[in-house]
Amino acid sequence: QVQLVDSGGGVVQPGRSLRLSCAASGFSFSNSAMHWVRQAPGKGLEWVAVVANDAINKYYADSVKGRFTISKDNLKNTVFLQMNSLKPEDTAVYYCARDRGGAAGGFDYWGQGTLVTVS
Amino acid sequence: SYVLTQPPSVSVAPGQTASITCGGTNIGGKSVHWYQQRPGQAPVLVVYDDSDRPSGIPERFSGSNSWNTATLTISRVEAGDEADYYCQVWDSGTYHWVFGGGTKLTVL
Repeated sequence: QVQLVDSGGGVVQPGRSLRLSCAASGFSFSNSAMHWVRQAPGKGLEWVAVVANDAINKYYADSVKGRFTISKDNLKNTVFLQMNSLKPEDTAVYYCARDRGGAAGGFDYWGQGTLVTVS
Repeated sequence: SYVLTQPPSVSVAPGQTASITCGGTNIGGKSVHWYQQRPGQAPVLVVYDDSDRPSGIPERFSGSNSWNTATLTISRVEAGDEADYYCQVWDSGTYHWVFGGGTKLTVL
């Protein structure tokens, strides 16, 4: 069955870096676009970034563009989120999610989330 | 950037029908997806492409989309449906995915 396992969260000081990982299994990872979505404490969902199935095309929310980098290793079935110059407002649970596909597909599978605290 | 507007809360008695709206300019021309999020859990896709259900989602969950409003309808509401619900679209102009602010469904 499809499984996404998020890891790499923790407590980090402002201005420092952190790298999140999402290990995928149970589906054709190389054929899937992958997203990161975050949720600040007590707040709603915020889309962060997407990497296309080919691991080349990438897009970012304005709030993280220039600081975060999404990448995809189709051999290791893992998607990463490199977060640099972290700010307190980046504090959130970060989820990876699989794109269902199609022109504007929803996110059909999600990881369990990993908490990042910038303080 | 594209904005989706949801009511902060909706309340409904068990067995009744809950309707959660999602407003956006010409949203009827976009594909709308809906997620359920129970406390402490990851979101779950309950409706995609306006009105389709993933496997395993009860038929009680349905969706519609027209003009400037999309709607998630939950029929015969159960206590277990109490959760936060989010709508989502893809903004082709910016290649960004956008979530609504979320609606807390309370089952009375």
